[in-house]
Amino acid sequence: DSGVTQTPKHLITATGQRVTLRCSPRSGDLSVYWYQQSLDQGLQFLIQYYNGEERAKGNILERFSAQQFPDLHSELNLSSLELGDSALYFCASSLGPPGTDTQYFGPGTRLTVL
Amino acid sequence: GDSVTQMEGPVTLSEEACLTINCTYTATGYPSLFWYVQYPGEGLQLLLKATKADDKGSNKGFEATYRKETTSFHLEKGSVQVSDSAVYFCALSDRGQAGTALIFGKGTTLSVSS
Repeated sequence: DSGVTQTPKHLITATGQRVTLRCSPRSGDLSVYWYQQSLDQGLQFLIQYYNGEERAKGNILERFSAQQFPDLHSELNLSSLELGDSALYFCASSLGPPGTDTQYFGPGTRLTVL
Repeated sequence: GDSVTQMEGPVTLSEEACLTINCTYTATGYPSLFWYVQYPGEGLQLLLKATKADDKGSNKGFEATYRKETTSFHLEKGSVQVSDSAVYFCALSDRGQAGTALIFGKGTTLSVSS
């Protein structure tokens, strides 16, 4: 158990809908990262927050957004969902400023868009 | 940009066989290198890491040495077990970047039979 929690574990929804994925980092970790794992794209970095502020963006679609709250948990919002958004979404956390230490991953949220 | 290339799988071995999974990287800065493992139905777990050239990471009988001259970080184990069956991901993190994402290889599936 990495100490990173993600909810829900599974999510099934329809095209055009909006969903929110939640992540709680390890106790004391200030950085949160979101990744998408799909069969065709592999593991891709989406976005990163450090202590409430956005620090880096990867291949994140404009339909997707995220935020990190004062209690350091993070939410990833996916809107106008398409079939191709079906994937496993991972959250990871690390202790300090970006680039200084190891990222620990949560168990993931499996999103299925029908 | 930075990238990671892993040997294609699947890799199928008998119990107690030797394992090598090749990983090479391209990076402009001074990356830290990681191996993560994903067991069926689970999230990513950190297996080992190395932060500078000639460092050797080791854990659970697995080893990998950071070779700057060959830009490689091959994963090795002397005697695999059925419980080692999983997908293995090589990754790098460039500490020089302000917002540091992990860049992953495509993963190598290992299947060990008894």
